[in-house]
Amino acid sequence: EIVLTQSPATLSLSPGERATLSCRASQSVSSYLAWYQQKPGQAPRLLIYDASNRATGIPARFSGSGSGTDFTLTISSLEPEDFAVYYCQQRSNWPRSITFGQGTRLEIK
Amino acid sequence: EVQLVESGGGLVQPGRSLRLSCAASGFTFDDYAMHWVRQAPGKGLEWVSGISWNSGSIGYADSVKGRFTISRDNAKNSLYLQMNSLRAEDTALYYCAKDRLIAVAGDFDYWGQGTLVTVSS
Repeated sequence: EIVLTQSPATLSLSPGERATLSCRASQSVSSYLAWYQQKPGQAPRLLIYDASNRATGIPARFSGSGSGTDFTLTISSLEPEDFAVYYCQQRSNWPRSITFGQGTRLEIK
Repeated sequence: EVQLVESGGGLVQPGRSLRLSCAASGFTFDDYAMHWVRQAPGKGLEWVSGISWNSGSIGYADSVKGRFTISRDNAKNSLYLQMNSLRAEDTALYYCAKDRLIAVAGDFDYWGQGTLVTVSS
């Protein structure tokens, strides 16, 4: 099973600042990596797919990069509504397994 | 508008069975793979199972393999998860999720609001 490790576990920043979230895979997932945002009491929302493609309706301040084993989600200038938990997810060996990272909590400083 | 509505959750004793359903609307259901993803209380996301548009390709997480069975009825625009031999660690909110692509992508662009399964004696 491919293990995804996200860092940091918690990130404390202020609105307007830049956020950089990391996701590392235990083996190469090529570019088959997605990012999701989840707010309390809500279902996750797809932000980025295939490492760097924004999903429909996602603001341009969200961007993804990386390939192989190291990936980054960047939020260029934090808005109040961006404070949430973020998960990465790989799909490189469907249907054998799909896995999520443990999440990064982005909190207001 | 895409809608996914889960049902069938509840309180069940360890070792018993439960069947979850997901009613889909707002898209051509039989074009897309579908998945179940769960989230234990206060914990992260865990993919449970997925099924291709024609049921020809099915996958399960190791944690549920041999106990859970995913299926779909394209005529009824419905997805199912038969859960047998339930354990306390299966307690979670179970989400139904739509695959992003017509061919299987393995990531999820629409999610339901979830149905809660509690396994306890």
